[in-house]
Amino acid sequence: GAVVSQHPSWVICKSGTSVKIECRSLDFQATTMFWYRQFPKQSLMLMATSNEGSKATYEQGVEKDKFLINHASLTLSTLTVTSAHPEDSSFYICSAWAGDTDTQYFGPGTRLTVL
Amino acid sequence: AQSVTQLGSHVSVSEGALVLLRCNYSSSVPPYLFWYVQYPNQGLQLLLKYTTGATLVKGINGFEAEFKKSETSFHLTKPSAHMSDAAEYFCAVSRGSGSARQLTFGSGTQLTVLP
Repeated sequence: GAVVSQHPSWVICKSGTSVKIECRSLDFQATTMFWYRQFPKQSLMLMATSNEGSKATYEQGVEKDKFLINHASLTLSTLTVTSAHPEDSSFYICSAWAGDTDTQYFGPGTRLTVL
Repeated sequence: AQSVTQLGSHVSVSEGALVLLRCNYSSSVPPYLFWYVQYPNQGLQLLLKYTTGATLVKGINGFEAEFKKSETSFHLTKPSAHMSDAAEYFCAVSRGSGSARQLTFGSGTQLTVLP
């Protein structure tokens, strides 16, 4: 149980285009999901907290207009990187909070490369 | 404010030897503490967590950790290392409560297991 999936697992795009990443909780409902960014050989940095049916809460320094988050259902949150640039290249990981175990379960991550 | 310090960005042990990964935390409230493992190009997998109650927590794959409030530590141990334990390990402390429980991660420790 408590499986979180992400799609795509990797994506390559041209500079200036937008990319959407999906995060799904497969066997539980998640009122809250989280989006992290991880640079090579570094730790995870929380970008934003995604709440079902309401606006996301962004961490300081994260551009909300660049990283659009939508949490339209209890099993799906999406992160859209708008007008992507090479510096946005990174490993993006989502997690979903399971209320019954009070635990965050992580997706496998999405490797974004912007050319 | 909460923070996590992992001492030693790289730890090497021989197969069959004791694994000890160090984690110290800072928290203004009683902490929830977690250890996650990350294999290359994958998301994070929960090894174990401490919330309340028994200070010695047992997790998956033979790992355990002990919460020591007086030392503000939550070190991860395993009596006998296996080659498959080679991975990146992250200690994390949470802030907030319930669905708003956000994780702050340490910088990670890369564990190498030598044959």
